[in-house]
Amino acid sequence: GENVEQHPSTLSVQEGDSAVIKCTYSDSASNYFPWYKQELGKGPQLIIDIRSNVGEKKDQRIAVTLNKTAKHFSLHITETQPEDSAVYFCAASMRNTGFQKLVFGTGTRLLVSP
Amino acid sequence: DTEVTQTPKHLVMGMTNKKSLKCEQHMGHRAMYWYKQKAKKPPELMFVYSYEKLSINESVPSRFSPECPNSSLLNLHLHALQPEDSALYLCASSQSGLAGTPYEQYFGPGTRLTVT
Repeated sequence: GENVEQHPSTLSVQEGDSAVIKCTYSDSASNYFPWYKQELGKGPQLIIDIRSNVGEKKDQRIAVTLNKTAKHFSLHITETQPEDSAVYFCAASMRNTGFQKLVFGTGTRLLVSP
Repeated sequence: DTEVTQTPKHLVMGMTNKKSLKCEQHMGHRAMYWYKQKAKKPPELMFVYSYEKLSINESVPSRFSPECPNSSLLNLHLHALQPEDSALYLCASSQSGLAGTPYEQYFGPGTRLTVT
């Protein structure tokens, strides 16, 4: 089955700096890679995703890149703000008929200091 | 609107109690999911319903009993739980359709369950 590794487990940056979180996956059949942000006491919030036919996707200050050959994908946050502080999870999945089974990475705790 | 709602927000129950968690979405999604999340860990899939039929049961103990009464509602019935079952229980939903086409999965805020 699919296995997703995520690094680093914690990341501390100064406000305005960039942050990069990296994930690797094992199953070459995986075709969908979402990123979730989870704030304390809340459910995971989908912030960006990428499909296997795309190499890069950007949405304002966040971007995701995918290297299918190396089975790597990364989340890039530019101009970080204190409100970006949260736990970020990457995930990988291959769509089955009727549903999407996500396999999550272990999470990265991002702390943005003012 | 990508909202999934869950009730209650918090639940404390004894090991002999019976309780239910509820989840609702009105996005027309036909796949609904239950996850369990322990502190500092990623969500762990428990059950998947597709078109109101149970598609995945990830070897979850029978003291957890899911139910999907219609396309908008998902319940998780709890009975004779153990203290180690204390966790955040998350519901999620996504579209369904052709195999191979990925769809976004949206999570609710979760129910914080404490078993005493």
